[in-house]
Amino acid sequence: AQSVTQPDIHITVSEGASLELRCNYSYGATPYLFWYVQSPGQGLQLLLKYFSGDTLVQGIKGFEAEFKRSQSSFNLRKPSVHWSDAAEYFCAVGAPNDYKLSFGAGTTVTVRA
Amino acid sequence: DVKVTQSSRYLVKRTGEKVFLECVQDMDHENMFWYRQDPGLGLRLIYFSYDVKMKEKGDIPEGYSVSREKKERFSLILESASTNQTSMYLCASSFVSNYGYTFGSGTRLTVV
Repeated sequence: AQSVTQPDIHITVSEGASLELRCNYSYGATPYLFWYVQSPGQGLQLLLKYFSGDTLVQGIKGFEAEFKRSQSSFNLRKPSVHWSDAAEYFCAVGAPNDYKLSFGAGTTVTVRA
Repeated sequence: DVKVTQSSRYLVKRTGEKVFLECVQDMDHENMFWYRQDPGLGLRLIYFSYDVKMKEKGDIPEGYSVSREKKERFSLILESASTNQTSMYLCASSFVSNYGYTFGSGTRLTVV
């Protein structure tokens, strides 16, 4: 079964600074990978997804993620954060022939002025 | 705009009550899911359904049941609510091809 680890529970970043959130997965083959964002009191919104092909994936809100098979990682990045990026971010992994996604525990991002 | 709608944003129930959480999607998705979200634990799968009247247990099904009588509706049932079921409950749906979920806004349930 697949699993996901998000090593950072909480990250604080200054507005305008870059952001990188780490995600490591465990799966025997090439997984389906996702990043979701959850604003306070809301459900989860899909930021981006990777199935195959180009390992650098562009998403919404200016986010991108890079799949690195050798490191079993799918880290999320944003060059310049905005105060509205303060939220909780979840990495998820799925298998091509399985309905279910496994989620990491999440990383909370705080943006300071 | 496509959506997953959860009937209640906030619920307060008493210990021992039978609780129904409703979820409706308008995207003709085959799959529907119920997760609970707790701080530090992320999302944990309770039950999912891949077709009408079909259901499978997730990772933490104890104390819960589900019902899917129509494709668009998936209900989570707490047979006898307990305080350890106080949590945020998230419903999601997807196509069978697993190209990602669409989530509802969540129901925050408090059992007192």
